[in-house]
Amino acid sequence: ETGVTQSPTHLIKTRGQQVTLRCSSQSGHNTVSWYQQALGQGPQFIFQYYREEENGRGNFPPRFSGLQFPNYSSELNVNALELDDSALYLCASSLGPDSTGVNEQFFGPGTRLTVL
Amino acid sequence: AQKVTQAQTEISVVEKEDVTLDCVYETRDTTYYLFWYKQPPSGELVFLIRRNSFDEQNEISGRYSWNFQKSTSSFNFTITASQVVDSAVYFCALFPGNQFYFGTGTSLTVIP
Repeated sequence: ETGVTQSPTHLIKTRGQQVTLRCSSQSGHNTVSWYQQALGQGPQFIFQYYREEENGRGNFPPRFSGLQFPNYSSELNVNALELDDSALYLCASSLGPDSTGVNEQFFGPGTRLTVL
Repeated sequence: AQKVTQAQTEISVVEKEDVTLDCVYETRDTTYYLFWYKQPPSGELVFLIRRNSFDEQNEISGRYSWNFQKSTSSFNFTITASQVVDSAVYFCALFPGNQFYFGTGTSLTVIP
């Protein structure tokens, strides 16, 4: 069973640029959630994708957008980067809301984004 | 509203001491799960324990134990006989079913 993978591991961008982060879900999972973890903070929910549709969103502006592909992998796109976007971005995969059980989320290793 | 509070920002203990990490949560959901995760400097969240809201039985798993008290909305986590490798940031998280709500974390340093 393949776990959750994310790419790239580290990324450096400048203010105003755009960035795309990628996540491959664990085998058998059809739901991906994205979290932002600023330095010294706990992860904050950005949004979730289920069967290629957004299924819940946290308190993040529209310049944070996402995609989910038919193979259930996902991208997080951030436009017009700001200094405060510097953070560790975590994705987590799970079974969908239509499945029974707790739908526990399994986290990837994260992408560390630095905005200069 | 969903909220998790970890009042302890940083804790230092000497190796082999026991240490308890506190967690208080708020939720209006009747069904939820509580988790503890460990985050070493590498950044990956490492799952430690999970408890559902219907099961207040406290258990021990190796050097880890937890005390879940629904009446006080607390889910405290204890490491027995701490080791240097336990040094990390520990997060308590509430999972009502769709997303995680994390606390701000407790940084644990175990001094050899």
